[in-house]
Amino acid sequence: DQQVKQNSPSLSVQEGRISILNCDYTNSMFDYFLWYKKYPAEGPTFLISISSIKDKNEDGRFTVFLNKSAKHLSLHIVPSQPGDSAVYFCAASDAGTYKYIFGTGTRLKVLA
Amino acid sequence: GAGVSQTPSNKVTEKGKYVELRCDPISGHTALYWYRQSLGQGPEFLIYFQGTGAADDSGLPNDRFFAVRPEGSVSTLKIQRTERGDSAMYLCARHGVTDTQYFGPGTRLTVL
Repeated sequence: DQQVKQNSPSLSVQEGRISILNCDYTNSMFDYFLWYKKYPAEGPTFLISISSIKDKNEDGRFTVFLNKSAKHLSLHIVPSQPGDSAVYFCAASDAGTYKYIFGTGTRLKVLA
Repeated sequence: GAGVSQTPSNKVTEKGKYVELRCDPISGHTALYWYRQSLGQGPEFLIYFQGTGAADDSGLPNDRFFAVRPEGSVSTLKIQRTERGDSAMYLCARHGVTDTQYFGPGTRLTVL
């Protein structure tokens, strides 16, 4: 049973437009959520995180939104740039553990 | 970088052989994690170290997998009698100041 789901395996967006990547989770004990970006043959790079006490966190072009009642989070990238093309993973953990549970990823392609 | 180096970057071995994968985090971080990422999947937790001891090894798939961290810094993931299904990217992560984990570049293991 997958506790963290990214239902869109891929997404294409024009340069300059907004990219919205979605993630759903099932475990109500999760209280910390993160987004990572991964290029081929590299390790995941941390992008942004959010604690369950917040519903929004912003860092430059990246904003993460958390809807606890819907068990849904999203990552907004605006404006999208060709260098943003990568695989994006959402991850979740709860305060009682240190293990991250990852989704299967969404491949973002930003078209110039 | 993420403050974690992993060697080798690539390892090709034959079925049945023994391999060791090394993780070297920057000093001062007591918590260290190993994950495994198979093709098309997100990273999956293997083991977590707090100092020299394995605080949680519940993610190790079977007794062919073992990890050590004898001096509380460098960690080695050991796989005995490798199988083709062990082929994956093996990732090591250190704990940051917050609850965020920062990943190394990974070791790509291929078992022929």
